[in-house]
Amino acid sequence: NAGVTQTPKFQVLKTGQSMTLQCAQDMNHEYMSWYRQDPGMGLRLIHYSVGAGITDQGEVPNGYNVSRSTTEDFPLRLLSAAPSQTSVYFCASRRPGTPYEQYFGPGTRLTVT
Amino acid sequence: GEDVEQSLFLSVREGDSSVINCTYTDSSSTYLYWYKQEPGAGLQLLTYIFSNMDMKQDQRLTVLLNKKDKHLSLRIADTQTGDSAIYFCAESNEGGKLIFGQGTELSVKP
Repeated sequence: NAGVTQTPKFQVLKTGQSMTLQCAQDMNHEYMSWYRQDPGMGLRLIHYSVGAGITDQGEVPNGYNVSRSTTEDFPLRLLSAAPSQTSVYFCASRRPGTPYEQYFGPGTRLTVT
Repeated sequence: GEDVEQSLFLSVREGDSSVINCTYTDSSSTYLYWYKQEPGAGLQLLTYIFSNMDMKQDQRLTVLLNKKDKHLSLRIADTQTGDSAIYFCAESNEGGKLIFGQGTELSVKP
């Protein structure tokens, strides 16, 4: 199993550009989520999905869109990049039921200039 | 709302014990978690404790839970340089979301 994979690893965008961060998992997990990690602020939940066709907002959803057309894939779209979206983005997945063992991807480091 | 607080930095000498502390606010959390993040990588589940326990030991790791004070701690015995990482405390809320603290960066000096 590859686990949770994310592409790209690094990305530099100009303000106003759009892009999609890719996330895929091969563990047949229903629950997937996107976080951003900023120094001193821990991980903040952007969007999450409890299964194909179902998505919901997390703590900091503004400026981001998601879709979940398959169990495996959960892309995150930045609609019009802003410097405040400079961060490290992590995708995660887990099986249903507690305890919540969440599997994280290696992250995408995004810089918006 | 839910909140999880940790101190940001801890520095210890190799061979000493490390204690990382965390406070949380949601008393309905069923499980509390410790995740570890090594440099340049995603988080990995280190250990967890069920809310009706007050202690859990797993090799060099000891988790202590004080439900009355909503205080969780992670003790690493005989800390090694390979334990240098960021450690995140997390609670799960009723909606099934994991709420993470800010992370404690543990630095182990030889």
